[in-house]
Amino acid sequence: DTGVSQDPRHKITKRGQNVTFRCDPISEHNRLYWYRQTLGQGPEFLTYFQNEAQLEKSRLLSDRFSAERPKGSFSTLEIQRTEQGDSAMYLCASSLEITGSNNEQFFGPGTRLTVL
Amino acid sequence: LAKTTQPISMDSYEGQEVNITCSHNNIATNDYITWYQQFPSQGPRFIIQGYKTKVTNEVASLFIPADRKSSTLSLPRVSLSDTAVYYCLVGYNNAGNMLTFGGGTRLMVKP
Repeated sequence: DTGVSQDPRHKITKRGQNVTFRCDPISEHNRLYWYRQTLGQGPEFLTYFQNEAQLEKSRLLSDRFSAERPKGSFSTLEIQRTEQGDSAMYLCASSLEITGSNNEQFFGPGTRLTVL
Repeated sequence: LAKTTQPISMDSYEGQEVNITCSHNNIATNDYITWYQQFPSQGPRFIIQGYKTKVTNEVASLFIPADRKSSTLSLPRVSLSDTAVYYCLVGYNNAGNMLTFGGGTRLMVKP
C-alpha cells in the first residue's frame, strides 16, 4: 500500500497522559499536514511541514501540542497532558508540490483519540 | 479565505444525478474551487478542482458560472457507495496552503 498511513488507528487514554501519533506520508511527497476533526465537523488545519521544516501552525495548536518531521519523511504529533477536549480524529495528509497541478492532498485513515 | 455555504444534507436514490451547490460570494481572483469526499472513518479524498466554466473527470463534473460566486458538483447516476460527506473548498491553489473545510453536505443515497 503506497498511501498515507497512520498509527495507531485508535488510542484511548486517561486525562493528563501524553500521547504520540505517527504519520507516514506517500514517499515522494514533500508536504505533510496535520488536521483535527471532531464529530459532525469538517477537518481543521493544525500544522504543515515542507520537508523537515514546520512552516505554519494554527492557533488551534496549543503549547501542549508538538509536531516533528525530523528527516522530512514520517511525522509525529504529540499531545501532552491530554484533556477531554482533545478527543477527536487526527488526520494526516501529504502532497507533492508541482507547479500548475491541483496540489491534491492525500489523507490517511486518521487516528481516533478518546480521552477519558 | 473565502467562506463557503452548502446544504447540510441531501437525499437521493440510486441511479439519479445529484447536484450539490456551493456558494462562495467573496471568492478571490486567485482562488480555485475544490471538492473532497469523505466516507465514515476515513480521511477526505480529492474529487475535482476547477477555476471556471466546466471541469469533468471520471468521477464528477464541476460547473462554475462566469461570476464564480457559486459552483455545482454533479455526480452522475449515484450508487449506494456514493453516500458520504462532500466538502466544497475555496482557496489559492498553492501546495503549501492548508485546506479550510466547512461543514460539508451529507449525501444519503437510498436504494
